[in-house]
Amino acid sequence: DIQMTQSPSSLSASVGDRVTITCRASQSIGASLNWYQQKVGKAPKLLIHIASNLESGVPSRFSGSGSGTDFALTIDSLQPEDFATYYCQQYYSIPRTFGQGTKVEI
Amino acid sequence: EVQVVESGGGLVQPGGSLRLSCAASGFTLSSYWMTWVRQAPGKGLEWVANIKEVGGEKYYVDSAKGRFTISRDNAKNSLYLQMNSLRAEDTAVYYCVRGQSYFRVWGQGTLVIVSS
Repeated sequence: DIQMTQSPSSLSASVGDRVTITCRASQSIGASLNWYQQKVGKAPKLLIHIASNLESGVPSRFSGSGSGTDFALTIDSLQPEDFATYYCQQYYSIPRTFGQGTKVEI
Repeated sequence: EVQVVESGGGLVQPGGSLRLSCAASGFTLSSYWMTWVRQAPGKGLEWVANIKEVGGEKYYVDSAKGRFTISRDNAKNSLYLQMNSLRAEDTAVYYCVRGQSYFRVWGQGTLVIVSS
């Protein structure tokens, strides 16, 4: 199974900050990487697919980058509604696997 | 509106069984792979199983193999997860999700608690 490791596990930030979350795969997965946002008590929401493609309706302050084994999710100018937990997920192989999550808090 | 709605969760004793259902609406179920993802309380997301558009291919996480069965009835716009020999570690919110690679459509989840 491909292991997905996110860092950090949590971070504290302020409104307006630029935040970067990294995700490392245990083997090369090309660009087969998605990012999700999950708020407390809610289902996850797809933000970015194929490593860097922003989902329709997702603010442009979110961006994704990377390929192979190293990926990043960047949030430019953090907004109050962005405080949540973020997960990466690979779909290069079965079983699909998620990172352990990164909690972004104030 | 495109949506999926899970049902069937509840409290079950270790070793027991439960069948989860997922009702799809607003899209043609037979056009999509479908997936179950779970989340233990306070934990991260775990992919459980998926099934090809017209049955046939099915895949499971190792911990579910031999105990869980994913199935679908496209005529009824429904997805199922039969869970047998349940363990405490199966306690989680189970999400029905559309897709097999990236997951755009999620249900609200149904909570399964395995406890005596």
